[in-house]
Amino acid sequence: KAGVTQTPRYLIKTRGQQVTLSCSPISGHRSVSWYQQTPGQGLQFLFEYFSETQRNKGNFPGRFSGRQFSNSRSEMNVSTLELGDSALYLCASSQGLDTDTQYFGPGTRLTVL
Amino acid sequence: QKEVEQNSGPLSVPEGAIASLNCTYSDRGSQSFFWYRQYSGKSPELIMSIYSNGDKEDGRFTAQLNKASQYVSLLIRDSQPSDSATYLCAGANTGNQFYFGTGTSLTVIP
Repeated sequence: KAGVTQTPRYLIKTRGQQVTLSCSPISGHRSVSWYQQTPGQGLQFLFEYFSETQRNKGNFPGRFSGRQFSNSRSEMNVSTLELGDSALYLCASSQGLDTDTQYFGPGTRLTVL
Repeated sequence: QKEVEQNSGPLSVPEGAIASLNCTYSDRGSQSFFWYRQYSGKSPELIMSIYSNGDKEDGRFTAQLNKASQYVSLLIRDSQPSDSATYLCAGANTGNQFYFGTGTSLTVIP
């Protein structure tokens, strides 16, 4: 079974721009969670989508948004990029059942200049 | 505030020794716990999950859960240099939301 895929793997943007990241979960998985990882803050939860609905949301500003499609693929958008948005963005896939295991994709490394 | 706390380390052990990684959590509603390993520049990969009090063994790895003390640990027996990585502890509640610790850096010295 193929794992979680994320595209692109690397991105360089400038302040003020916006960016869209994509995540394809493991086949059959209906939940996609997004995380931001930085050296100082560790893994910070952004949001979780299940069956095209945002089910959980972390404590990030409204510049961070997401959506999920009927095939469970998910996108995350960051508008008006700031230098502090430079991070590794990880998505994790699960069946979406309570306390189900999450499997991570390889991540997208975003650098904001 | 639901939190998972880990000693950031770094933890260094000689090859062949037992590495002990510890984690405490604040949310008594957390139902299950996970240990992930993350190599530098890579994404986290699942090592073990544990749902019930007690020990769970998988090869060289043993996870321990004590819900009364809100404590989770991971023991790595016969540590190998390839075990050198950052280990992330996570808790999950019935809302399927995960809470990660900041990770413990482990170095196994040949």
